[in-house]
Amino acid sequence: NAGVMQNPRHLVRRRGQEARLRCSPMKGHSHVYWYRQLPEEGLKFMVYLQKENIIDESGMPKERFSAEFPKEGPSILRIQQVVRGDSAAYFCASSLSSGGTGNTIYFGEGSWLTVV
Amino acid sequence: QKEVEQDPGPLSVPEGAIVSLNCTYSNSAFQYFMWYRQYSRKGPELLMYTYSSGNKEDGRFTAQVDKSSKYISLFIRDSQPSDSATYLCAIINNAGNMLTFGGGTRLMVKP
Repeated sequence: NAGVMQNPRHLVRRRGQEARLRCSPMKGHSHVYWYRQLPEEGLKFMVYLQKENIIDESGMPKERFSAEFPKEGPSILRIQQVVRGDSAAYFCASSLSSGGTGNTIYFGEGSWLTVV
Repeated sequence: QKEVEQDPGPLSVPEGAIVSLNCTYSNSAFQYFMWYRQYSRKGPELLMYTYSSGNKEDGRFTAQVDKSSKYISLFIRDSQPSDSATYLCAIINNAGNMLTFGGGTRLMVKP
């Protein structure tokens, strides 16, 4: 999973500030996913993107959260007006393709957001 | 009912033991199953990927899927302290774009 690069690894924000998390997928991968892991909870799907398109955002909170994957540059997960409940580990993952056969999804090391 | 259920553990075993980790899932339409290993403060690392029913072996690890009972297993032979981690089972939807994870089982292998 070393190929999926996330930054920052650790981020501290005060309540009400914005958090921006960046993800560069593995080389050659055009499918990006964001997952959230709350303390003592499992990984939960948030959003699936391809270049310039949001394919599935069924796991994204309705407000304050947005994601993009521009034609150039990394994917960005943006959290506006953070609250303490947003404190979690945010994992980005990427895959070469979509579709069940042989679709292997690789994860990055995560970005740990702490809201104080 | 959660889509994927997993005993959270912790499961503590002596070094060299055979470890059995298990998950159940609810949707019989799922066909692709994965096991990830996650060390503390690290990202999930893909261990095994299986399709449909049957066994798949990779070194000390064997993944087993029983679709009739909707049961997924991961066996670790000759367990090592370095295997101490949280093991996550996951199913992937048939569109291949969403993983649903179990809550993870924390494994501790004692020297």
